[in-house]
Amino acid sequence: GENVEQHPSTLSVQEGDSAVIKCTYSDSASNYFPWYKQELGKRPQLIIDIRSNVGEKKDQRIAVTLNKTAKHFSLHITETQPEDSAVYFCAATQGGSEKLVFGKGTKLTVNP
Amino acid sequence: DGGITQSPKYLFRKEGQNVTLSCEQNLNHDAMYWYRQDPGQGLRLIYYSQIVNDFQKGDIAEGYSVSREKKESFPLTVTSAQKNPTAFYLCASSIQGSRETQYFGPGTRLLVL
Repeated sequence: GENVEQHPSTLSVQEGDSAVIKCTYSDSASNYFPWYKQELGKRPQLIIDIRSNVGEKKDQRIAVTLNKTAKHFSLHITETQPEDSAVYFCAATQGGSEKLVFGKGTKLTVNP
Repeated sequence: DGGITQSPKYLFRKEGQNVTLSCEQNLNHDAMYWYRQDPGQGLRLIYYSQIVNDFQKGDIAEGYSVSREKKESFPLTVTSAQKNPTAFYLCASSIQGSRETQYFGPGTRLLVL
């Protein structure tokens, strides 16, 4: 089955710097890759997603890149702000199904 | 995702007791999912349902049961066979045609007394 590895597990940056979180997946049939942001004690919120027919997608300060050959995708946050502090999860669909397999999360801390 | 509700917010279970977690959605979504979240473990799929009266096991179904009698509701029962039930339980739903895009409820934190 699908295995999703996420790195780093913790990331600390200064306000205004960029943050990058990387995920690798094992199933070459995976075709959908969402990113979720989860604040402490709250529900995961979908912040951006990408499908396998696209190499990059951007939404204001966040962007996601996908390298299908290498089976990895990354979340990029520019001009970080303290409110970006949260745990971020990547996920990938299992084969051609709707089932998502999640990474273990990255705790991002943005220091003012 | 404001249309997905879970109750209660906190739930306490005694040894040998079955407890049921509620998940309701008014988004007219076809598919619903239950995940378990443990610290440092990410989210793991317990059960999912694509249509009413049908559901499938996820990766960690042992000790859990579900029903899907109505499109809006997908309750999860944590049975006494689940020996380590303490976790944060999240329900999600998605719409037909984009089932992989899942939206989450606020979660239920289950604690064992």
